Parts: sequence; structure tokens; C-alpha cells
Amino acid sequence: GNSVTQMEGPVTLSEEAFLTINCTYTATGYPSLFWYVQYPGEGLQLLLKATKADDKGSNKGFEATYRKETTSFHLEKGSVQVSDSAVYFCALIRGGGTSYGKLTFGQGTILTVHP
Amino acid sequence: DAGVTQSPTHLIKTRGQQVTLRCSPKSGHDTVSWYQQALGQGPQFIFQYYEEEERQRGNFPDRFSGHQFPNYSSELNVNALLLGDSALYLCASSPSGRGYNEQFFGPGTRLTVL
Repeated sequence: GNSVTQMEGPVTLSEEAFLTINCTYTATGYPSLFWYVQYPGEGLQLLLKATKADDKGSNKGFEATYRKETTSFHLEKGSVQVSDSAVYFCALIRGGGTSYGKLTFGQGTILTVHP
Repeated sequence: DAGVTQSPTHLIKTRGQQVTLRCSPKSGHDTVSWYQQALGQGPQFIFQYYEEEERQRGNFPDRFSGHQFPNYSSELNVNALLLGDSALYLCASSPSGRGYNEQFFGPGTRLTVL
């Protein structure tokens, strides 16, 4: 079945530091890949997405590139802010078959950014 | 344009009771999915509704059931509550039922089972 594995957390950084959160996946075919963010006490917000190999998703300074050869979708940001403190989830969705319309999530990575 | 809304925000029940959670999808969306997020975990897919039918189901027991109404809103029902059902329940909506469309999430309902 489909699965998503995120780097062990939590991650603690100082403001303006470089961020990388690793994500690898297992899926047959060609899934679409997503990063969602969850702020304390809130639901999930889509941060960025990529629908095919070598696509780069980007939003609010965050980027992730769909790497089919390494089955990875690592999240990066060049300079984090205190307001980026949240939980980040990597996820995939695969159309067709029994996985149609179903998001499969990683376990989440807690990011804390200190001033 | 209102996004996905869910009610209630919080709910406290005791073991063995039944609960109903409600979701209104984003305008223009006809597909609703439900997810369970246990504390410190990623969301787990419960089921998805499209055209008032359960189209797909995750690995959840029959105690979890749902319904979709003609206006696309949806309910999640859980019978015979267990302590392990305590979680944040998230509703997500998407348009047209195509698998690759992004899903928009509501704020969730926090269920506590005592």
C-alpha cells in the first residue's frame, strides 16, 4: 500500500536559519505529493503541491521538488520565521484504483523557531 | 466564500455513547472525506462520500458510519464509543471527485471520550 515517511522530529531552529524536512514515499504509479501545515488548535492548510516528477511546488518561501528517482519530496525554506512554527505533514494522493481520492499522510514534523 | 465548516468544535462523551459530527463543504465542492487525527499523529482516512454514496473506506470498523446529503454536507457517526476514539476529526472537501484535486480541510472537531 501507499505510505509516507517523514524525518524524525521535533525540529528546533533559530530565526533566519535554513530548514529542511525530509519526506520519502512508497506508492505505485504516479502519485501527487503535498505538504500541509497545521498551526496550533487549527485544521490543515495546504502549503504546496506537485503533481508530476520534477515539478517544484512553492509557496510563502517554502519549496519542495518531486523526485521520482529517490521517491522524495523534501520541504525547504531558506530563512525561517517565528511564525513558521507549526506541524508539517507530507502527504500523497493517487488517483484511480482503491486509493482514489484518499490522502495518505506522514506522521508529521513539529517545527519550533526561536527569535 | 466560506471554507469548510465543522460542528461542533469540541465534544465530550463517555464510553458506549454515540456521537454525530457535521461538515459543510466549501462552495462548489461535491466530495467530502473524513479523517481521524490522534494526538501526535498524522490524519488517517476514514471514508469518502460522493453523490451521497460511500465511495471509499479506510481501515475503520463498522462503528464508524457516515452520510452525505443532497446539498453535499456530510455527517460522521460513531457508535459504541471507545476511549481510543478520542481524536481530532477532520473533514475535507474537494470538487468533482477527481483524485488529484487538493482537499480543503475544516478546523476539525475535537472529540474526547471519558
